[in-house]
Amino acid sequence: NFMLTQPHSVSESPGKTVTISCTRSSGSIADNYVQWYQQRPGSAPTTVIYEDNQRPSGVPDRFSGSIDSSSNSASLTISGLKTEDEADYYCQSYDSSPYVVFGGGTKLTVL
Amino acid sequence: QLQLQESGPGLVKPSETLSLTCTVSGGSISSTSYYWGWIRQPPGKGLEWIGNIYYNGNTYYKPSLKSRVAITVDTSKNQFSLKLSSVTAADTAVYYCAIIRRWQVRIDYWGQGTLVTVSS
Repeated sequence: NFMLTQPHSVSESPGKTVTISCTRSSGSIADNYVQWYQQRPGSAPTTVIYEDNQRPSGVPDRFSGSIDSSSNSASLTISGLKTEDEADYYCQSYDSSPYVVFGGGTKLTVL
Repeated sequence: QLQLQESGPGLVKPSETLSLTCTVSGGSISSTSYYWGWIRQPPGKGLEWIGNIYYNGNTYYKPSLKSRVAITVDTSKNQFSLKLSSVTAADTAVYYCAIIRRWQVRIDYWGQGTLVTVSS
């Protein structure tokens, strides 16, 4: 079993770029796909990145995903920040499919 | 477009069993492309995966919950269900049902979520 560790919170100004990390505790981050979900208060999560770096239709290209084997982590980068991007973000992967693993979540504040 | 709807009691007494049902519309629960799963989120906290079921009844549970969880599927009603026994206040959460793409193990669809409070 492994864990995914995210920073509890990040903040940045509108128009800037922010990166949220998701570090895998054991095994290689490249072994299993990583997804990123956005959750606004009172709503179910929605996918902003799937399969490491793929964007669903309707998600702006300001959102991008990547993985870095050297740090064994995945990253979600949001450029040109907008106030509407303020939300909680969760990374997700899996262990011995289909055991789902979530990161602890990161609260993004756009101020 | 697949859609999910959770249903069940919003209040459960401590030590009793929490029971929720998820109704699937827009597609068949007998699909071989998906797992059908449950995820919960305690108030103010993060997402926690509870378990998945495949259409043939194979189940996969989070190890720390395995002794208290049962997920079943009813293909005739296009529904799947969650039972969580011996609940405590720590089981108070919004419970989501979800559709998980089988090979990529990613969550494609979420229900709207239902709050279950454990209290006497």
